Order: sequence, then C-alpha cells, then structure tokens
Amino acid sequence: SAVISQKPSRDICQRGTSLTIQCQVDSQVTMMFWYRQQPGQSLTLIATANQGSEATYESGFVIDKFPISRPNLTFSTLTVSNLSPEDSSIYLCSVPGLAGAFETQYFGPGTRLLVL
Amino acid sequence: GQSLEQPSEVTAVEGAIVQINCTYQTSGFYGLSWYQQHDGGAPTFLSYNALDGLEETGRFSSFLSRSDSYGYLLLQELQMKDSASYFCAGRNTGFQKLVFGTGTRLLVSP
Repeated sequence: SAVISQKPSRDICQRGTSLTIQCQVDSQVTMMFWYRQQPGQSLTLIATANQGSEATYESGFVIDKFPISRPNLTFSTLTVSNLSPEDSSIYLCSVPGLAGAFETQYFGPGTRLLVL
Repeated sequence: GQSLEQPSEVTAVEGAIVQINCTYQTSGFYGLSWYQQHDGGAPTFLSYNALDGLEETGRFSSFLSRSDSYGYLLLQELQMKDSASYFCAGRNTGFQKLVFGTGTRLLVSP
C-alpha cells in the first residue's frame, strides 16, 4: 500500500488569499488525484495530475482557481486561489492502488481549510 | 454522466446486520468500490466488485448486480467502531477516474 502525507493538515485563511497544499507519496506513481469534500458531502474530483503534462480538470474546476504542479513521480501541489468562504472544505490527494487500479485508491489524510 | 445514489443515514445497534444500498445511472460501468471514512479521517478502501455477485471480506460483504444498476455493502456483527460514512464509487469505461456516491452515514448505538 502507498503511504501519503499532506501538508498542512489544516489551515485558516482570509478571503482573497491562496493556500498551497502539498501531497507526498512514498512510492513513484504516474497519476495523482485531487478531491474536494465539502462539509458533510461526498468526494468530488478536482483534477488528475500526471507527471510531465498538464493536469486534467473536471467540469466546474479551472486551472486559474486550482493550479496544480507535479514536478516528479512522488509529489504534487494543489493551490486554491482567491479564497472565498465557499472554498472551506477538506482537500484530499489520492493515488491508484495496486497495479495502478483506479478502483482501490489510497488517500492522504486531507487538508482542512477554513476561509474567513 | 454518472450518478450514484445512497441513503443519507442508516442507524443500527451493536451486533446487528446493516445493508447500505447504492444505485447508479451510467453505462459501461467497470464495477463498484466501497470506501469507509471516519469523522476527521481519510477514506479507506473496503471492497471492490468487478463482477456480479457477492464478495466477502471478514464482517463486510459487497454485492453488485449490473442488470439492476445496483449494489450494496453488508456489514455484519456491527461494532461501535463501524460508525462512519460509507461511499460507493464507480468508474466508467474509458475513464481513469472514480465517481463517488452521495455517501451514507452509519450510526451504531450500544
């Protein structure tokens, strides 16, 4: 199984500012996923980050608001820009499971963001 | 697009059996996964049904019927630690991503 760490674990930010979330995996993976989980809600995929190429964003999510970097096969960052209270959520990164199985993803512990 | 619907909340007592249903609308579905998430924790993978039928993993079993676009997670001998949110998730053919269901909050009481 993959071990994933995220930094920061939580943060409180002022509206209009930005927060960059780091995701570190203990093994090399081709794809990393970024999810948002709003309070009491399910997980919504923001984007898929591939090393060496631009991230692929889901409908409703744009690069200007959620820029992603993927400098190597074990690390990715998600920035949430121009923060508003509606961005208050848990942000999770994940990687595919054994043999690259998308159905059995491993998740990081999440970053809890509160925007005031 | 895909949508996976679950009951929002299920309650049960310790030692009981509970079934959490998941119905979906999509075509070309690969299969159904189940994840558990405790409050404040990360989702963790529980089981995956690639084919129709029942998969058993200890106290947990999962079932899939593609013809009915329906699956369920069965939890037996419930324990207090099973209180958590449970999500079904699916992957559509040709897409390298999971779509998660609406989620079910399970409350286990003594």
